Amino acid sequence: DSGVTQTPKHLITATGQRVTLRCSPRSGDLSVYWYQQSLDQGLQFLIQYYNGEERAKGNILERFSAQQFPDLHSELNLSSLELGDSALYFCASSGPDRAPDTQYFGPGTRLTVL
Amino acid sequence: GQSLEQPSEVTAVEGAIVQINCTYQTSGFYGLSWYQQHDGGAPTFLSYNALDGLEETGRFSSFLSRSDSYGYLLLQELQMKDSASYFCAVRDTNQAGTALIFGKGTTLSVSS
Repeated sequence: DSGVTQTPKHLITATGQRVTLRCSPRSGDLSVYWYQQSLDQGLQFLIQYYNGEERAKGNILERFSAQQFPDLHSELNLSSLELGDSALYFCASSGPDRAPDTQYFGPGTRLTVL
Repeated sequence: GQSLEQPSEVTAVEGAIVQINCTYQTSGFYGLSWYQQHDGGAPTFLSYNALDGLEETGRFSSFLSRSDSYGYLLLQELQMKDSASYFCAVRDTNQAGTALIFGKGTTLSVSS
């Protein structure tokens, strides 16, 4: 158990819909990262938040947005869903008490768009 | 740009030793990380090398050569439970933050 929690575990929805994925980082971790993993693209960085502020943005579509709340949990919002958005979405967190580049991943949310 | 290359598949038998190589191209370099991911599971951190040389953690060791932009993960005394995907990763220096860029992953299959 990494200490990072994600809900829901599975999500099945239709094209055009909007979903929200939720992540709670490890206790004490200020950074939250979102990654998308699909068979053809591998593990791709989407966005990072640090203590409530957006820190870095990767290959995140304009249809996607995220935020980190004062209690440090984060939400990833995916809208106008397309078939190609079907993937595993992981949240990871990191903190200053570990070796650099040590990220702890949550169990992921498997999104299926029909 | 930044990229990492690693073999797509490696097979071995229980008790054997296997080496998974990773070469990287990056405009700035902090260190090389390795993550393990079992099928359908979350990636888990294995090791991090910032300096040249070998780091040993139990049955797993990781090596880095900064001058060659190359590293490897060495798995000894292989067990069936080591069957998984292994990813090398570097810091994304095109970003202000500390996000990682991952290789495509190496699928290790251990047979009895």
